[in-house]
Amino acid sequence: TQLLEQSPQFLSIQEGENLTVYCNSSSVFSSLQWYRQEPGEGPVLLVTVVTGGEVKKLKRLTFQFGDARKDSSLHITAAQPGDTGLYLCAFPAGSNYKLTFGKGTLLTVNP
Amino acid sequence: DAGVIQSPRHEVTEMGQEVTLRCKPISGHNSLFWYRQTMMRGLELLIYFNNNVPIDDSGMPEDRFSAKMPNASFSTLKIQPSEPRDSAVYFCASRARGLAEAFFGQGTRLTVV
Repeated sequence: TQLLEQSPQFLSIQEGENLTVYCNSSSVFSSLQWYRQEPGEGPVLLVTVVTGGEVKKLKRLTFQFGDARKDSSLHITAAQPGDTGLYLCAFPAGSNYKLTFGKGTLLTVNP
Repeated sequence: DAGVIQSPRHEVTEMGQEVTLRCKPISGHNSLFWYRQTMMRGLELLIYFNNNVPIDDSGMPEDRFSAKMPNASFSTLKIQPSEPRDSAVYFCASRARGLAEAFFGQGTRLTVV
């Protein structure tokens, strides 16, 4: 059983379109992280959300943490080919911040 | 800083051979993680170290897998004997004390034929 369910699994869109990807769980988290992984590279942290209902913006990316801290979403406005990659959500557990990842959403933005 | 450095980037080996993957974490980071990534299972945590001590190895799939961290600047993941189902991308990541952000290396793509 996957603790973090990400949807959709795959998403292919045209440049300029908007999109939203989701990270859901039945568990409550103290925080959630979003990473982006480009082909041939390791994941890179985009943002950490901590407070229920929190919204964080990173240029064209908007991250939201659910009020109950069980889910999160990532919205991209006017997607560009450079946004192509695997978007992963993760939660750090325990005092050692052991990171558990969802399977990710593979986004392809076509020119 | 050069970031987390993994070697080799690619490894092709025959079934039954021993494979050793290497990782140099970011200087000053006190936690180190080994992950395996496949299409089917995503990113799976294999083992992590805190201050060079293995804290949780529950993700290590079998006794064929072992990991060591002899000092703060070096870790190895060994598979002996290797099997085709071990084919995956193996990532090493490190983290600074008190911070939740993990920094990943570029990974080692392992193919066992």
